[in-house]
Amino acid sequence: GENVEQHPSTLSVQEGDSAVIKCTYSDSASNYFPWYKQELGKGPQLIIDIRSNVGEKKDQRIAVTLNKTAKHFSLHITETQPEDSAVYFCAARLSNFGNEKLTFGTGTRLTIIP
Amino acid sequence: DGGITQSPKYLFRKEGQNVTLSCEQNLNHDAMYWYRQDPGQGLRLIYYSQIVNDFQKGDIAEGYSVSREKKESFPLTVTSAQKNPTAFYLCASSVAGTGAHEQFFGPGTRLTVL
Repeated sequence: GENVEQHPSTLSVQEGDSAVIKCTYSDSASNYFPWYKQELGKGPQLIIDIRSNVGEKKDQRIAVTLNKTAKHFSLHITETQPEDSAVYFCAARLSNFGNEKLTFGTGTRLTIIP
Repeated sequence: DGGITQSPKYLFRKEGQNVTLSCEQNLNHDAMYWYRQDPGQGLRLIYYSQIVNDFQKGDIAEGYSVSREKKESFPLTVTSAQKNPTAFYLCASSVAGTGAHEQFFGPGTRLTVL
């Protein structure tokens, strides 16, 4: 099955600086890669996703890049703000018919230092 | 308001007792999922269902059971056979079928077995 590795496990950045979180996946057939943000005591919320036919996607201060050859994808947050502090999870999904399973990374705890 | 509700938010049980966690959605989604989250780990899939009266085991189904008698409901029973049931449990739902579909998460239930 699919295996997703995520680094780093913790990340502290100064407010206003950029943060980058990286994930690698094992199955080259995976073609959907969402990123979720989880605040303390809450369920994860999708913040951005990318499909395998796209190399980069941006939404305001958040961007995701995908390198299919190397099987890795990254989350970039620019101009970080205190409200960006949370745990971030990457995930990968094989889009086979009837297979709706996401495989998640182990999470990155991002702390923004004011 | 459309969304996913999980109840209760906190649940305490004695060792050896079965316990059922509730998950309800009014998003008209066909697919529903149960995940388990432990500190420092990603989300691990317990069971998922893509249609009423049908469900499949995820990666860590042992000691758990589910039912899907109604489209909007997907209760999870943690049985006494689950060796380490204390965890944060998350329910999610999505549109079913091929393609990339966002999974929407509920707020979670924190189960503590004493």
